[in-house]
Amino acid sequence: DTGVSQDPRHKITKRGQNVTFRCDPISEHNRLYWYRQTLGQGPEFLTYFQNEAQLEKSRLLSDRFSAERPKGSFSTLEIQRTEQGDSAMYLCASSPGTANQPQHFGDGTRLSIL
Amino acid sequence: GDSVTQMEGPVTLSEEAFLTINCTYTATGYPSLFWYVQYPGEGLQLLLKATKADDKGSNKGFEATYRKETTSFHLEKGSVQVSDSAVYFCALSPTSSGGSNYKLTFGKGTLLTVNP
Repeated sequence: DTGVSQDPRHKITKRGQNVTFRCDPISEHNRLYWYRQTLGQGPEFLTYFQNEAQLEKSRLLSDRFSAERPKGSFSTLEIQRTEQGDSAMYLCASSPGTANQPQHFGDGTRLSIL
Repeated sequence: GDSVTQMEGPVTLSEEAFLTINCTYTATGYPSLFWYVQYPGEGLQLLLKATKADDKGSNKGFEATYRKETTSFHLEKGSVQVSDSAVYFCALSPTSSGGSNYKLTFGKGTLLTVNP
């Protein structure tokens, strides 16, 4: 069990630029979740995948955000035309495909918009 | 919708003191309940869980009991250590939903600082 891996750990970019984050889940987990955490708050759900299918998106996920999980393994989260309000920690989690199973989190990608 | 309310922090204790962090929830049905811990600069680590009423989750000296009648899942530890200093999050996940989204709903977190 190598855990959930996220890359990069930190991203600093100028407003208006596009950024992409990657998440590698635990290999046998078919569910993958993205959350966003702002300072002093708990993580908030953004979207989730079951295998390669994106099954639900939060209202927090504006049309500037897109997520993919092309082969049901790793996932990417892209933000286009970044804004100051996008500054946050982006967390990825994975879990097996049954209820009552905990989600395992990566260390997150911290995004800072200049 | 589902929500979690947990004790506002920060909480500052001396080593070997007793810890309680209160957590209450609102949810339809009978959710699974979790406590996660976040150390500085890191992601969340599962601390303990309970999946049905009266279950007690425990790990590393921490305990929490799923109380359906009071919709609570308070975190306790009898004797805290400096290494327990972190942010603690209470969270819930539905056990049944229209689809299969067992997304977590988190509280705002409670910062615990333990002084030697």
